[in-house]
Amino acid sequence: DVKVTQSSRYLVKRTGEKVFLECVQDMDHENMFWYRQDPGLGLRLIYFSYDVKMKEKGDIPEGYSVSREKKERFSLILESASTNQTSMYLCASSLPDGSLMTQYFGPGTRLLVL
Amino acid sequence: AQSVTQLDSQVPVFEEAPVELRCNYSSSVSVYLFWYVQYPNQGLQLLLKYLSGSTLVESINGFEAEFNKSQTSFHLRKPSVHISDTAEYFCAVSEGSGGYQKVTFGTGTKLQVIP
Repeated sequence: DVKVTQSSRYLVKRTGEKVFLECVQDMDHENMFWYRQDPGLGLRLIYFSYDVKMKEKGDIPEGYSVSREKKERFSLILESASTNQTSMYLCASSLPDGSLMTQYFGPGTRLLVL
Repeated sequence: AQSVTQLDSQVPVFEEAPVELRCNYSSSVSVYLFWYVQYPNQGLQLLLKYLSGSTLVESINGFEAEFNKSQTSFHLRKPSVHISDTAEYFCAVSEGSGGYQKVTFGTGTKLQVIP
């Protein structure tokens, strides 16, 4: 079974803090993704990575950065957290050719920025 | 650009009744279509997908979806729902035109099964 784990299920941070969300997958997948999920908006892609040290912006990259130093790990960084970044963050991974490959999701991190 | 529309944000249905969750997409090229399910407090997991071939695809837990190219739809159906089907369902589309093509998700439909 593919397993995607996220470092925290719940996180509370203050405005202006630097926040790290970690994601690890154990299936040697090339592609990894970060989404945010908000009621009524569905899933929106923040960043994705198709290889180590490679990254591509998604639909809403502003205020976020990512890091992929190892194949199995993909980190999402909020350089200076703001209240409008309060959301559920979902990490996913897939084999190459992500357009037709199943994405495997982690359980999510619910982030509250005060 | 591709897009996905799930018009129903919530669908209440009695246990053992049939259900249809609607999904329409727009795209100018051939597409791959997916339904994902998110149970409470969990991440999304694939329910079923259409890549090519038979337009009717089925999941292991009794759901089915039919790709209708002329109506640009991929509605999800189940003839008899169970309490355990209570979840949020997301339709997704990607364009199969080579290279990495982003998967676009709909806004989700919450299925509430009433005992």
